[in-house]
Amino acid sequence: GAVVSQHPSWVICKSGTSVKIECRSLDFQATTMFWYRQFPKQSLMLMATSNEGSKATYEQGVEKDKFLINHASLTLSTLTVTSAHPEDSSFYICSARDGLATYNEQFFGPGTRLTVL
Amino acid sequence: LAKTTQPISMDSYEGQEVNITCSHNNIATNDYITWYQQFPSQGPRFIIQGYKTKVTNEVASLFIPADRKSSTLSLPRVSLSDTAVYYCPLKGSGNTPLVFGKGTRLSVIA
Repeated sequence: GAVVSQHPSWVICKSGTSVKIECRSLDFQATTMFWYRQFPKQSLMLMATSNEGSKATYEQGVEKDKFLINHASLTLSTLTVTSAHPEDSSFYICSARDGLATYNEQFFGPGTRLTVL
Repeated sequence: LAKTTQPISMDSYEGQEVNITCSHNNIATNDYITWYQQFPSQGPRFIIQGYKTKVTNEVASLFIPADRKSSTLSLPRVSLSDTAVYYCPLKGSGNTPLVFGKGTRLSVIA
């Protein structure tokens, strides 16, 4: 199946700093990518839909000025957590749908563990 | 997209068949039923997808009744490595994202 990668796999930062997470579709082009957040023992929560060449669409309750999303190309989307605080510590997962895949299924990256001290 | 409801957890012994149910009473006509597996600190992995009746692949079977208000994921002869959380998000048309419910935590015991 299609491969989605994320970088870094984990990051530790100080409170108040910004952190950028990259999401790449390695063997397919994705006009749309999705960003999720997952807290321990909880389900994945959709944060935003990232559209190539246009603004992201954020879910209710997700601060667009805090979680900056840029979808610069058909294979790269970035999520920047600005002025991170300890409550932003979470597991961030990106995803993309491969329109040419057998089931048009949504493929997920391996996730990025963010810890804010 | 319609929400889905699953049992919170299930236990099974190795070698047994495990059936995990998912309720989706408000499923839309265009929705497909998908199942994903997630291990700790990893992204979800696609298992199977169906629209109606039965679908089978090399790892699982998916049973969907005629009214499509529920579905059952069947894992034959589970092993310890099948211990994971299983989700059944509905997939809408176009590029609508998957919305995940709480999932079912399956524990396989030796």
